Amino acid sequence: DAGVIQSPRHEVTEMGQEVTLRCKPISGHDYLFWYRQTMMRGLELLIYFNNNVPIDDSGMPEDRFSAKMPNASFSTLKIQPSEPRDSAVYFCASSPQGLAGGIEQFFGPGTRLTVL
Amino acid sequence: TQLLEQSPQFLSIQEGENLTVYCNSSSVFSSLQWYRQEPGEGPVLLVTVVTGGEVKKLKRLTFQFGDARKDSSLHITAAQPGDTGLYLCAGAKSGGSNYKLTFGKGTLLTVNP
Repeated sequence: DAGVIQSPRHEVTEMGQEVTLRCKPISGHDYLFWYRQTMMRGLELLIYFNNNVPIDDSGMPEDRFSAKMPNASFSTLKIQPSEPRDSAVYFCASSPQGLAGGIEQFFGPGTRLTVL
Repeated sequence: TQLLEQSPQFLSIQEGENLTVYCNSSSVFSSLQWYRQEPGEGPVLLVTVVTGGEVKKLKRLTFQFGDARKDSSLHITAAQPGDTGLYLCAGAKSGGSNYKLTFGKGTLLTVNP
């Protein structure tokens, strides 16, 4: 398997523009997660899905952020309009269904977003 | 306030030295994981601990979960340059979803040859 695939790997945009980040999870994984990583705040969970349904979006910073998962093999995270403080590395991760605690999350390589 | 506090934030040592990094919280976790992240990549799972007092070994790495399941430590013996990276602890809060992880900010380890 190719692992979790994210695109683009780097994105530079200007304040006010719409940004769309894309993720393809590992085939067969039921859970998909979006994280944001900055030096100041570390790695923060934004939202996660189970079987394409959003379960917890309490980490989404504000209404400018939205995430969708139209099918089991694709998810998007959209920021509209973007602001300089959104600059960060955004990670997508997926994990299989599990019965026990401590289910491994498999991370993609991330998208480095810079908003000028 | 960070739910999981990791210390030290930065650690630079020479090849062959031993080191311990810590992950502390006032909350109880049903499980705790350690990940390692290299520059330009996503975190990769090293180990999961679920039982208070549990000790797990992975070659030169030893992981321990505190008896009260509020803290954890990672000990590396005879560190090598290949151990360089950001070490992150992540916990699933007791009573919450096993899938919702809270991450610490990490310990950035540099092992010099």
